[in-house]
Amino acid sequence: IAGITQAPTSQILAAGRRMTLRCTQDMRHNAMYWYRQDLGLGLRLIHYSNTAGTTGKGEVPDGYSVSRANTDDFPLTLASAVPSQTSVYFCASSEGSGRANEQFFGPGTRLTVL
Amino acid sequence: GQNIDQPTEMTATEGAIVQINCTYQTSGFNGLFWYQQHAGEAPTFLSYNVLDGLEEKGRFSSFLSRSKGYSYLLLKELQMKDSASYLCAVMDSNYQLIWGAGTKLIIKP
Repeated sequence: IAGITQAPTSQILAAGRRMTLRCTQDMRHNAMYWYRQDLGLGLRLIHYSNTAGTTGKGEVPDGYSVSRANTDDFPLTLASAVPSQTSVYFCASSEGSGRANEQFFGPGTRLTVL
Repeated sequence: GQNIDQPTEMTATEGAIVQINCTYQTSGFNGLFWYQQHAGEAPTFLSYNVLDGLEEKGRFSSFLSRSKGYSYLLLKELQMKDSASYLCAVMDSNYQLIWGAGTKLIIKP
C-alpha cells in the first residue's frame, strides 16, 4: 500500500542522547517535510526538502538536522535531545514544491525526552 | 507576522450542521487547506480553496473569501465519526503551509 511510514511509533529518550526519526515514502513525491505538533499549537515546520539532495529550514529548525540522500527517505536527527523537544513528530510529502499540492502525512512518532 | 485563527473547540449534535471558521493573515496566499485529524492519528486532506466561493464535496463544503481573509468548513448531517480536530492551513508566498491550532469538534448523540 502506497504511503508514508515513520519509525519508531513512540520513544522515550534521556536528555542529551542522539536520536534519528525515520521517514520513508513510496509515492515518488519530490517534496518532504518534518513537522512537530504540540498541544494548543498548530503544526510547525522543522525542515523541508523540495527534491532529493536539497534541504531547507522551516519555522523551528534549531536542534534538528535532516538529510535527503534519495527520493524516498527523509530522516530527522536530534543531535542532543532536550525536554522541550518532547512532541509528536509528523513526516509529510507532496508531489512537488512551488505549487499548491496536498500533503500526505505519516502516522507520527511520539517522542518524550526526560 | 503570520497568523491563523480558529476556535479551540466546538460542540454539535449528531445529524445537525456545524460551521468551523478560520481567519488568516499571511505573507502571500496560494490557497487554503482544511485537514481532518482524529485523536492520535495523522491529518488527512479534506479540501482546498484558492478562488473565492464555495467548494462542495459530499457532506463537507468549504468557503473562501480572500478579501476578508476568511474561510469556513461546513459539515452537514453530522455523524459520530466526524468527532475530530479540523485544521485550517494557508499556503504562503513561499508555498509553505502555515497551520492553525485546530478546532476540536465534539459530536453529541
